[in-house]
Amino acid sequence: DTEVTQTPKHLVMGMTNKKSLKCEQHMGHRAMYWYKQKAKKPPELMFVYSYEKLSINESVPSRFSPECPNSSLLNLHLHALQPEDSALYLCASSRLEGLDTIYFGEGSWLTVV
Amino acid sequence: GNSVTQMEGPVTLSEEAFLTINCTYTATGYPSLFWYVQYPGEGLQLLLKATKADDKGSNKGFEATYRKETTSFHLEKGSVQVSDSAVYFCAIIQGAQKLVFGQGTRLTINP
Repeated sequence: DTEVTQTPKHLVMGMTNKKSLKCEQHMGHRAMYWYKQKAKKPPELMFVYSYEKLSINESVPSRFSPECPNSSLLNLHLHALQPEDSALYLCASSRLEGLDTIYFGEGSWLTVV
Repeated sequence: GNSVTQMEGPVTLSEEAFLTINCTYTATGYPSLFWYVQYPGEGLQLLLKATKADDKGSNKGFEATYRKETTSFHLEKGSVQVSDSAVYFCAIIQGAQKLVFGQGTRLTINP
């Protein structure tokens, strides 16, 4: 079972709102990721957590705040976003050993109004 | 740094046609290679992968062979269906859990 579950599937938020995207996996993977995908573009890496510690931050603005409460959960807290942040946000996970496959969730479609 | 170059789309074919989507990469050493597929309105699904030279990945009638000598990983299918209409991404990974994607190829299959 290679499943990464993301909620909500769709989110509309105002520029002054605070919201969170949630991600869960039960494959025992110790690496979890957030990617951002704009229309007609490939996904862009935002953050990587390894063993529940933030290991990569691709210079993402502080209005995006990741959190990894445990090895199965990954959150992305959103605050004071801009309309240009509207995109598909993809969570993913993988094992940490070797060059292992990264498995993606269905994504959360975010619209900032 | 590592990079992936994919055949530019969009690609439009008739049902039962033969499909090739070209992918070449630049990397040192031996990256793992992947094809992901994204159906309309959905996330990315792993289609197939190969982890060493001459490996052939296959799934759902799609195949790709890891060619170290030409640094290529071309995707092929002998007879496409309307349900294969999607965007296809070639990707490589080499350390630091960083996937490097190609730009994607949009495929449309007409009945």
